Amino acid sequence: DTAVSQTPKYLVTQMGNDKSIKCEQNLGHDTMYWYKQDSKKFLKIMFSYNNKELIINETVPNRFSPKSPDKAHLNLHINSLELGDSAVYFCASSQEFLAGGTGELFFGEGSRLTVL
Amino acid sequence: QQQVKQSPQSLIVQKGGISIINCAYENTAFDYFPWYQQFPGKGPALLIAIRPDVSEKKEGRFTISFNKSAKQFSLHIMDSQPGDSATYFCAASSPGGGNKLTFGTGTQLKVEL
Repeated sequence: DTAVSQTPKYLVTQMGNDKSIKCEQNLGHDTMYWYKQDSKKFLKIMFSYNNKELIINETVPNRFSPKSPDKAHLNLHINSLELGDSAVYFCASSQEFLAGGTGELFFGEGSRLTVL
Repeated sequence: QQQVKQSPQSLIVQKGGISIINCAYENTAFDYFPWYQQFPGKGPALLIAIRPDVSEKKEGRFTISFNKSAKQFSLHIMDSQPGDSATYFCAASSPGGGNKLTFGTGTQLKVEL
């Protein structure tokens, strides 16, 4: 029973297209994230939601739009894809210390996006 | 601005040897320092974590050493095994801020037979 699941696992698309990645967690966590891992394996936070509210929005082009319909789901929509968007996108969830959690991030297996 | 600097970028260790990965941070507000392990094709997973009120934490073959005054912490893997071959990330976070973790750049560890 996967704790954090994201789909699709692979996306291959042309420049200029729009794509979405979906994420679901069954851990009952309040906080969900999107991280981007580039070709050098550098992990950078993009967004964080707590109980459906956006709480972290790093310097990300506004072509990237996250949406959290409920606290168990966090989706990422990317408009007008560019070559530089090619990366692995990880969804994660956690329960914050202040909410009685450990702060441990639980990651999905990633969605590898290739823009041609 | 890279707030958590990690070294080395890659490391090759013989089976049974000690693997050491170092990290340094700048933000004195950081109070939580986890290490994550990532295998190819998988997401990172928490390996071990420490808070600055202790100087060392050990879990099995994995030990974090923490030096608050130097703003440095390190991961030691004793009796390294081929199954430890993975990418290791140090990270840090400060109170509040939505549990935002700042990751180091990663160390690719290979343990050879």
